[in-house]
Amino acid sequence: DTGVSQNPRHKITKRGQNVTFRCDPISEHNRLYWYRQTLGQGPEFLTYFQNEAQLEKSRLLSDRFSAERPKGSFSTLEIQRTEQGDSAMYLCASSPGQTDNSPLHFGNGTRLTVT
Amino acid sequence: EDQVTQSPEALRLQEGESSSLNCSYTVSGLRGLFWYRQDPGKGPEFLFTLYSAGEEKEKERLKATLTKKESFLHITAPKPEDSATYLCAVQAGRGAQKLVFGQGTRLTINP
Repeated sequence: DTGVSQNPRHKITKRGQNVTFRCDPISEHNRLYWYRQTLGQGPEFLTYFQNEAQLEKSRLLSDRFSAERPKGSFSTLEIQRTEQGDSAMYLCASSPGQTDNSPLHFGNGTRLTVT
Repeated sequence: EDQVTQSPEALRLQEGESSSLNCSYTVSGLRGLFWYRQDPGKGPEFLFTLYSAGEEKEKERLKATLTKKESFLHITAPKPEDSATYLCAVQAGRGAQKLVFGQGTRLTINP
């Protein structure tokens, strides 16, 4: 168990550019989640995968955000035409999925700064 | 809409000074309440899951309790290494997978 791995750890981009983040979950965890956290706030749910299927997506999530998990292993989160309001920590988490309320194991996040 | 409110926002204690953090929630159909610890620059680290009112869980100097409206995280004789932000989250609704988090309590233990 090497934990959830996220890359890059930090990303600085200019407004209007596209960015992509990668998440490698704990092996054999079939559920994968993306959250966003801003300073002084708790994580906010973005989307959730069961294996390769994206089963839930926040209604607050802009169309500029898209996530994939092509083979049910690693996942990518892309943000198109970034805005300054996208600056945040993007957290990935995974769970084994053996029960519906298995605890989530989080990575250390990707910190995005949009200038 | 499911809501979670944590208090206080920040708490400073002296080493050895016990206290409690509060997590109040409003949900329909609680399926689990989770406590996490988060250190600066890192992701949340899982501490406890509570499922029903009256349940208690303990780990070292931490004890979590649950009622129908709130949860408490009691910290007994804390040490400086217990300094962190403590997050409470709820999972609610049949089949729902997302966690709804509170804003956290930033705990500082002075030596």
